[in-house]
Amino acid sequence: DAGVIQSPRHEVTEMGQEVTLRCKPISGHDYLFWYRQTMMRGLELLIYFNNNVPIDDSGMPEDRFSAKMPNASFSTLKIQPSEPRDSAVYFCASKDRGSGNTIYFGEGSWLTVV
Amino acid sequence: DAKTTQPPSMDCAEGRAANLPCNHSTISGNEYVYWYRQIHSQGPQYIIHGLKNNETNEMASLIITEDRKSSTLILPHATLRDTAVYYCIVRVASLDNYGQNFVFGPGTRLSVLP
Repeated sequence: DAGVIQSPRHEVTEMGQEVTLRCKPISGHDYLFWYRQTMMRGLELLIYFNNNVPIDDSGMPEDRFSAKMPNASFSTLKIQPSEPRDSAVYFCASKDRGSGNTIYFGEGSWLTVV
Repeated sequence: DAKTTQPPSMDCAEGRAANLPCNHSTISGNEYVYWYRQIHSQGPQYIIHGLKNNETNEMASLIITEDRKSSTLILPHATLRDTAVYYCIVRVASLDNYGQNFVFGPGTRLSVLP
């Protein structure tokens, strides 16, 4: 299995621009998570989906952030408009219902907003 | 979820065993101990988990004290590639556990020295 695949791996954008991060979970996994990691705040859960349905988005920082999962093999995290404080590494992760808390992470998308 | 306490950093000589402690004195009977690690520039990686019995896999061993208030992750022959941040997490593991608020604390930064 290829694991969780994220794109882009690195992105540098100007403040005010729209940013779209993409994720392909492991085939067959029915849970998908978006995390953000910064030096100051560590690893934070932003939102997670079960069977393509958003279950808990309480970690999404504000309305500028939105996430969708149109099908079982694809999810996006969008920031519009982006701000410098959004600079972070964004991880997507997935798991299947039977694996408890064994969560598989992608390699992350490194976002820099200037 | 029970709170965990880990030392912020540790050093280990290459080829020696690395013993990473975790305190979880408020753990409840149905909570598992999970260990993940994060190598620089990569996503967190699942290592091992256990309930009360000691566990071993190809990556590590997990020793849980009889009262379950603490545990130790053992990397039997540490290599330079094991340099990473190691996270100890206590969570209920049931089929209905969605991984929400799967909180990664600051962890232990393990440096394997040549």
